[in-house]
Amino acid sequence: ILNVEQSPQSLHVQEGDSTNFTCSFPSSNFYALHWYRWETAKSPEALFVMTLNGDEKKKGRISATLNTKEGYSYLYIKGSQPEDSATYLCAFTSGNTPLVFGKGTRLSVIA
Amino acid sequence: DAGITQSPRHKVTETGTPVTLRCHQTENHRYMYWYRQDPGHGLRLIHYSYGVKDTDKGEVSDGYSVSRSKTEDFLLTLESATSSQTSVYFCAISESGAGTGERSGYTFGSGTRLTVV
Repeated sequence: ILNVEQSPQSLHVQEGDSTNFTCSFPSSNFYALHWYRWETAKSPEALFVMTLNGDEKKKGRISATLNTKEGYSYLYIKGSQPEDSATYLCAFTSGNTPLVFGKGTRLSVIA
Repeated sequence: DAGITQSPRHKVTETGTPVTLRCHQTENHRYMYWYRQDPGHGLRLIHYSYGVKDTDKGEVSDGYSVSRSKTEDFLLTLESATSSQTSVYFCAISESGAGTGERSGYTFGSGTRLTVV
């Protein structure tokens, strides 16, 4: 079973702070790394799909980087807002299997 | 979510009874998945389908079976429900999938909260 680890498990930040979380995944047989945003009482929504070492993706104040050689990805949120409060999931695939999800990082942004 | 619906949204059932959850999509996507979400475990794959009548097991498939007789519907059956199967079940769809690479994101349904008493 592939292991996808996320840290920290939870995070509380003040409005306006910038923050980042980590996703670790197997560095061998890499195919793609996904990030999802999951708000309470809703469904996970795709943020980014990353496929190449060194990839950087951005959507508004949220960005992500990818290092496939060492097996990690960072998600950054610049100037956190209360509406950013959610659980952020990463998921890995070697290409031959469906996504394996990490347990997520729960972000709470305090106004 | 637009294009994918799960039914029922909530269900309470007794131990030992069979239960079927339905996932319906209007996107004509080839790949469909069933995950369960439990505290401390995140999303874990139960079964998935890569085409009509083509299915495979996931990490936590024991006690579950699936069927896909047409592109738009993917059914998850708990053959004899147990308390350990109390969970929130999510269906997801994708255009590309295992074997072709998950390079498109998954779209998730709204989830089914199942309680086995």
